[in-house]
Amino acid sequence: AQSVSQHNHHVILSEAASLELGCNYSYGGTVNLFWYVQYPGQHLQLLLKYFSGDPLVKGIKGFEAEFIKSKFSFNLRKPSVQWSDTAEYFCAVIGAPDYGGSQGNLIFGKGTKLSVKP
Amino acid sequence: EPEVTQTPSHQVTQMGQEVILRCVPISNHLYFYWYRQILGQKVEFLVSFYNNEISEKSEIFDDQFSVERPDGSNFTLKIRSTKLEDSAMYFCASQTSGVLQETQYFGPGTRLLVL
Repeated sequence: AQSVSQHNHHVILSEAASLELGCNYSYGGTVNLFWYVQYPGQHLQLLLKYFSGDPLVKGIKGFEAEFIKSKFSFNLRKPSVQWSDTAEYFCAVIGAPDYGGSQGNLIFGKGTKLSVKP
Repeated sequence: EPEVTQTPSHQVTQMGQEVILRCVPISNHLYFYWYRQILGQKVEFLVSFYNNEISEKSEIFDDQFSVERPDGSNFTLKIRSTKLEDSAMYFCASQTSGVLQETQYFGPGTRLLVL
């Protein structure tokens, strides 16, 4: 069965620090990978997604993620965080149907809370 | 920018009662989803819906749950006889088409508390 692991439950950083949030997935076939963010009191919003091509994906607000197939990883990075990046970050995967994956439902990790100190 | 909306934002109910959670997806979207998140746990898929029928459902989505698109705009999740363990945040999402590259847009959620 597909699953997603996010290694850090809560990360606390000072402004301008660099960020890397880990995400590993288990799925043998082609995967489509996502990072969603939930700012306090707001909806889940898509930060970035990977389907194919360049494994380094750039998203909104200066975030990027790198898909490393050999490590089953899709870590989220940002070189310099701001206080406004305080939020919960969710990694998710959709398995591709060619390998028996679902037709579209997202499998989420547990989320990582990021707190940025001003 | 169009948004998915959900009502109510919070609902408190007694165990055994029926609840209906409402969602208004983005107007030109054709695929609809319900997810839930029990406090401290992962966001979990419940059900997907297209063309007035369920496309896929998870093990969580048992006979106590049903979904409906009663008119052209609302998409509802009904829990027939709530249990304590149904307490969770319920998220609705919608998508233009079933193409995997399409983004799912989420609503703000309904926090359900079963006493």
